[in-house]
Amino acid sequence: EAGVAQSPRYKIIEKRQSVAFWCNPISGHATLYWYQQILGQGPKLLIQFQNNGVVDDSQLPKDRFSAERLKGVDSTLKIQPAKLEDSAVYLCASSFPYEKLFFGSGTQLSVL
Amino acid sequence: KNEVEQSPQNLTAQEGEFITINCSYSVGISALHWLQQHPGGGIVSLFMLSSGKKKHGRLIATINIQEKHSSLHITASHPRDSAVYICAVSQNYGGSQGNLIFGKGTKLSVKP
Repeated sequence: EAGVAQSPRYKIIEKRQSVAFWCNPISGHATLYWYQQILGQGPKLLIQFQNNGVVDDSQLPKDRFSAERLKGVDSTLKIQPAKLEDSAVYLCASSFPYEKLFFGSGTQLSVL
Repeated sequence: KNEVEQSPQNLTAQEGEFITINCSYSVGISALHWLQQHPGGGIVSLFMLSSGKKKHGRLIATINIQEKHSSLHITASHPRDSAVYICAVSQNYGGSQGNLIFGKGTKLSVKP
């Protein structure tokens, strides 16, 4: 069974630039999550999708972050413009509703 | 006081030993997750529990809802079990399934 695919694996940008991350969940998983994990901290949920609808985006900094899951399958997370404090690992996860989460390998973002 | 407390913070064991990691929480939950994170690696979800006990290979997870406590046991530990083990809970009110409260993790090192 293929896992959750994320790309790119690493990204280095300068502040005020834009960046986008891509996630392809496990086939059949209706629920998709984006997390931000800052070094030394636990992951923080940015947004949760159920199919192509947003369930929870209460912690998404909407002035600079956006996410979409147009066809209810893969998803993109965008940061525009990036700030230094956005340096983190961005994790995508997927699951069947109310079941165990499966995580991707993450994208490590460094903002200089 | 953190809503999810883990103990111990650090644990060193000899190969073959039986290991127990504890998690206590103070909020009402709909589910508790045990996660494994290797240095520089992604997160693997080991168990999702809402009651009772689950077993997978050498790993056993238990939860006592009345006492708000869960344990993760590793039998016949091996150096490849060395990782950070994280307890996380999803609240049973006011939060989505993915909006997890994370413990600070237990860093396990198994020596050959």
